[in-house]
Amino acid sequence: GAGVSQSPSNKVTEKGKDVELRCDPISGHTALYWYRQSLGQGLEFLIYFQGNSAPDKSGLPSDRFSAERTGGSVSTLTIQRTQQEDSAVYLCASSPSVGWSRNEQFFGPGTRLTVL
Amino acid sequence: DQQVKQNSPSLSVQEGRISILNCDYTNSMFDYFLWYKKYPAEGPTFLISISSIKDKNEDGRFTVFLNKSAKHLSLHIVPSQPGDSAVYFCAASAGGTYKYIFGTGTRLKVLA
Repeated sequence: GAGVSQSPSNKVTEKGKDVELRCDPISGHTALYWYRQSLGQGLEFLIYFQGNSAPDKSGLPSDRFSAERTGGSVSTLTIQRTQQEDSAVYLCASSPSVGWSRNEQFFGPGTRLTVL
Repeated sequence: DQQVKQNSPSLSVQEGRISILNCDYTNSMFDYFLWYKKYPAEGPTFLISISSIKDKNEDGRFTVFLNKSAKHLSLHIVPSQPGDSAVYFCAASAGGTYKYIFGTGTRLKVLA
């Protein structure tokens, strides 16, 4: 496909379980972002990957959250020991290169996570 | 601390009229602003941007105005169409960074 894809589209889990969310960016895009949108909130920056550089993890809310990007393409966001406050829509975005980072990001449809 | 604020959670406008969506920010270091539109069950899509060296940017029916002294920007949609019904987010970044701070969004409903 031409756009950013995310899977699963919906995930319901029990408190305390681990979850993995996947993002497939647009082919050739070197920058990849993860955001979280909780109910009634804006998009909260979580983590940023750019090429082979060390990711900017400054937005991750706790050490239960981690992300990796394999081969400069697919990214996985992992939440360990999920809590109810982790319930949100998790959005992934990609953009062509650092030079484009001040311009548009292309967003995926998101994964809606519900922690019971 | 909400650095980017969209104080109107919702707005209804008649088709053909002007829609004005507002956004306020507190960080004077912000120098680049974007508007995104989001339909249900889809990711946000980029609409229009403005750099702090400008006070206006236009793209078809969409115009963004920036008032730096007031730390305020607005998005004007003229004429509004039912297909414009969506949630609109403003976002800001500072100093050429890749980090954007998003507002909470305004839900626009254009009535036919």
